[in-house]
Amino acid sequence: KAGVTQTPRYLIKTRGQQVTLSCSPISGHRSVSWYQQTPGQGLQFLFEYFSETQRNKGNFPGRFSGRQFSNSRSEMNVSTLELGDSALYLCASSLAEERNTEAFFGQGTRLTVV
Amino acid sequence: AQSVAQPEDQVNVAEGNPLTVKCTYSVSGNPYLFWYVQYPNRGLQFLLKYITGDNLVKGSYGFEAEFNKSQTSFHLKKPSALVSDSALYFCAVRLFNTGKLIFGQGTTLQVKP
Repeated sequence: KAGVTQTPRYLIKTRGQQVTLSCSPISGHRSVSWYQQTPGQGLQFLFEYFSETQRNKGNFPGRFSGRQFSNSRSEMNVSTLELGDSALYLCASSLAEERNTEAFFGQGTRLTVV
Repeated sequence: AQSVAQPEDQVNVAEGNPLTVKCTYSVSGNPYLFWYVQYPNRGLQFLLKYITGDNLVKGSYGFEAEFNKSQTSFHLKKPSALVSDSALYFCAVRLFNTGKLIFGQGTTLQVKP
């Protein structure tokens, strides 16, 4: 069974540009969450999607957005990139909405903003 | 507010010795607790979880964790450390009815030969 797939693995962008990251969850998983990981702030929750609906959103500016498609694949978009957006972005999928199920993470997309 | 704390930034142990990585939590209601491990430039790998039942939970790669409700702790343990266990370990709690995980700040485990 294939794991969570994130593309691309690495990305270099210039300040002011926008970027789209993609996540394909494990087959059958309907919940997809996104996290930002930085050395200073650790792992921070961005948002969660379930059945194409955003269920929760973290404390990030509106430049960060996401969506989920009918096949559960998800994308996140960051507009007007800032240097501080440089981070490892992790996607996680889980089988169901019950909180007792574990989330499985992709390998992440390393975004560098220059 | 819900939170997770890992009081040690780094834990150093010798190979073959037992290891403990500490985690305490603060949540409303019954906690659903998880441990993940991260190797350099990789995503997080699930190790184990506590949902209900026995306070001692066994997971992958010989790891186990002890849930202590009175001390609100969920410490990760392994009887005999391996050099290959060296990595970054995260404790997390999952919030009610959501997929949102709140993570501790992480603990770097260094196992020396």
